[in-house]
Amino acid sequence: AQSVTQPDIHITVSEGASLELRCNYSYGATPYLFWYVQSPGQGLQLLLKYFSGDTLVQGIKGFEAEFKRSQSSFNLRKPSVHWSDAAEYFCAVVPANDYKLSFGAGTTVTVRA
Amino acid sequence: GAGVSQSPSNKVTEKGKDVELRCDPISGHTALYWYRQRLGQGLEFLIYFQGNSAPDKSGLPSDRFSAERTGESVSTLTIQRTQQEDSAVYLCASSPSGGAGEQYFGPGTRLTVT
Repeated sequence: AQSVTQPDIHITVSEGASLELRCNYSYGATPYLFWYVQSPGQGLQLLLKYFSGDTLVQGIKGFEAEFKRSQSSFNLRKPSVHWSDAAEYFCAVVPANDYKLSFGAGTTVTVRA
Repeated sequence: GAGVSQSPSNKVTEKGKDVELRCDPISGHTALYWYRQRLGQGLEFLIYFQGNSAPDKSGLPSDRFSAERTGESVSTLTIQRTQQEDSAVYLCASSPSGGAGEQYFGPGTRLTVT
């Protein structure tokens, strides 16, 4: 079955430390890939997207993600987190020839001082 | 420019009542989507409008749910005879051209059914 998996429900990281959020997908053809962030009381904001080409994509707020076809993964990274990065992060895909976003269950990031 | 706006931001209603949620997409965006986010879960697709095409209603969970869109502007999502399991955040998104294009989300409407 087609699915998007975020294995980590909750991650706690120290301010200034690096962060990596995992995302795996299960689709027949490589879908379009997105990462969104949702801060408390806020709507979803797009961090970055991958359609094709360079497998390392840069996004806003210092985030980047790497597409690995062999692992069906699209992991999100940030070298040094800030307290303002505390939020919920969603990996999402749009299957080829489709338009509906399918979301993972989300990963909540807590940043400690 | 103005982003996607939704109203109300919060709605508390009694079980069995009807509710109407509104979405104003970004001007010029032809595609509009509704999603539902239940507590502790990811987002579920509800419905998709693209221009004058027939909407894709495949995600609507029951016939109590319906949605309309006037041209390429405002959309309303109506839930009739609300149930407690309808409690969720309802998010609207718009996109310049639909397809796999980038979707811009509104802040959502938090619906609580008591």
